[in-house]
Amino acid sequence: KQEVTQIPAALSVPEGENLVLNCSFTDSAIYNLQWFRQDPGKGLTSLLLIQSSQREQTSGRLNASLDKSSGRSTLYIAASQPGDSATYLCAVPISGGYNKLIFGAGTRLAVHP
Amino acid sequence: DVKVTQSSRYLVKRTGEKVFLECVQDMDHENMFWYRQDPGLGLRLIYFSYDVKMKEKGDIPEGYSVSREKKERFSLILESASTNQTSMYLCASSLPGLSNTEAFFGQGTRLTVV
Repeated sequence: KQEVTQIPAALSVPEGENLVLNCSFTDSAIYNLQWFRQDPGKGLTSLLLIQSSQREQTSGRLNASLDKSSGRSTLYIAASQPGDSATYLCAVPISGGYNKLIFGAGTRLAVHP
Repeated sequence: DVKVTQSSRYLVKRTGEKVFLECVQDMDHENMFWYRQDPGLGLRLIYFSYDVKMKEKGDIPEGYSVSREKKERFSLILESASTNQTSMYLCASSLPGLSNTEAFFGQGTRLTVV
């Protein structure tokens, strides 16, 4: 059964730091991996989707990498800003189709001025 | 801009009431999903639908039902609301397929059952 783990659970950094969030999964037979952002009390905003054939994806200051063989993905945030403060979740589809997702517990990020 | 819209941000209902949570997407997606999110338990799949009138149970379907009469709309029904259904409910949609199927979420409905 697929399990998704995110480390660290919480992170507090000063503004301007580059940081890395980690996501690991137990079954490497994934089709893709998606990173989301969630602000308190809000829904999920899709940040990046990496297909299984890709090694990384970039969007602005965000870069996500995928290493299927080791069961890991990282989300790199460059030059962090207070507006980046949120919970970041990674998710992979459960085998069997239909894009049913299994989520990690998330990393709660606080960027202070 | 892609959009998944949930009908209410906040709802307060009484125990035993029948509750309807509505979700509409404007992306012509075949797949639609209902998740609930609870502290310490994360996001869990309640039901999903892969086509009009088609539905399948997720991991925690007990106490819930769904309806999908039109492609763009997916409703979650709490037949008789109970306090343990107090939660954040999140609707999502995606295209069919496996590789490049990005999921899009609504803004969430915070339901409190008193």
